[in-house]
Amino acid sequence: GAVVSQHPSRVICKSGTSVKIECRSLDFQATTMFWYRQFPKQSLMLMATSNEGSKATYEQGVEKDKFLINHASLTLSTLTVTSAHPEDSSFYICSARLAGFADTQYFGPGTRLTVL
Amino acid sequence: GQNIDQPTEMTATEGAIVQINCTYQTSGFNGLFWYQQHAGEAPTFLSYNVLDGLEEKGRFSSFLSRSKGYSYLLLKELQMKDSASYLCAVRSNAGNMLTFGGGTRLMVKP
Repeated sequence: GAVVSQHPSRVICKSGTSVKIECRSLDFQATTMFWYRQFPKQSLMLMATSNEGSKATYEQGVEKDKFLINHASLTLSTLTVTSAHPEDSSFYICSARLAGFADTQYFGPGTRLTVL
Repeated sequence: GQNIDQPTEMTATEGAIVQINCTYQTSGFNGLFWYQQHAGEAPTFLSYNVLDGLEEKGRFSSFLSRSKGYSYLLLKELQMKDSASYLCAVRSNAGNMLTFGGGTRLMVKP
């Protein structure tokens, strides 16, 4: 149980284009999902908290107009990187919170974004 | 804010025991998690501590002391596949968010 999928796993795009990443909780409902970014040999940095049916909460320094988050259902959240630039190249990982004793976050497999 | 410290790298021998420490400073502590992350992959959940003491799960154990702001992950009978980064993450009361430490890269040698 507690499986989270992410699609695509890898994407290469041209500078200036937009990329959408999907995060799905496959066997549980998640009212809260989280989006992280991880640069090589660094730890995970929280970008935003995605709440089903409401606006996402962004961390300081993360541009909400550049990283659009939509959490339209209890099993799906999407992150759209708009007008991508080479500095946006990174490993993007989502997690979904499984409500319960520990409220553990389970992570998707990640999306490797390369912007040329 | 939150501050989480863990060693950057550790090396251990196959079959041995290794302890990875994590110290933290936070307001509104609401649990500490350990995750394992292999290179290029997403983190996988290992353990959760919210009360003081030791939680054992097979070869892995995790300990928490809230008064000292300290936790450790203990790995027994090390296997080569245990070579990975181990991430300590603290949850605060506000927003159920996790703040991650920098991760400890463990290399298991034959």
